[in-house]
Amino acid sequence: AQKITQTQPGMFVQEKEAVTLDCTYDTSDQSYGLFWYKQPSSGEMIFLIYQGSYDEQNATEGRYSLNFQKARKSANLVISASQLGDSAMYFCAMREGRGGTSYGKLTFGQGTILTVHP
Amino acid sequence: KAGVTQTPRYLIKTRGQQVTLSCSPISGHRSVSWYQQTPGQGLQFLFEYFSETQRNKGNFPGRFSGRQFSNSRSEMNVSTLELGDSALYLCASSLGGQAGEKLFFGSGTQLSVL
Repeated sequence: AQKITQTQPGMFVQEKEAVTLDCTYDTSDQSYGLFWYKQPSSGEMIFLIYQGSYDEQNATEGRYSLNFQKARKSANLVISASQLGDSAMYFCAMREGRGGTSYGKLTFGQGTILTVHP
Repeated sequence: KAGVTQTPRYLIKTRGQQVTLSCSPISGHRSVSWYQQTPGQGLQFLFEYFSETQRNKGNFPGRFSGRQFSNSRSEMNVSTLELGDSALYLCASSLGGQAGEKLFFGSGTQLSVL
């Protein structure tokens, strides 16, 4: 079974508008972490935002916020005021467990290609 | 502070050869993880090294191996290359000590096997 599901292969948004990228996850662990990364055409994976399973507040980093709904097992990324430079592939990822042997192991979704139109 | 550095950026090899990729983590980071990215399989975890020891391994054949040096730099080796090994290989570094810490990635090495 897919542990991370991103159901939107591609998304389009007008510059300056907000966009939500969907991510659902599956885990039996109580402690886990959720990440969003951006991958431009250059290939580098750029860290955007992190949410821990015990964090009560939704994470925010500048124009990025994570809409964390634990009961629904969803961790959607919201980008406010989209910019042309936001056009890229976006990946949702999960780290399971309390670290331990899982520190560097992330499970990734298939990604969503975001295109920002002027 | 310098980011994660991967060398070389591009590599072309032929089937049956072996290849070594290098990753220098962010200063102070002791954990280095390696990932393979292909259009068909997406991003898959290869292995993680921490303090020169492999502490986590993905589901890849033994042709894929790695090591970490005392300065935390890591190398990944693929022996007897196959066409299917063509991929972007990404490494990520982190402090390695806490569950909530972030992983920072390099720009990757694009490997083409002919």
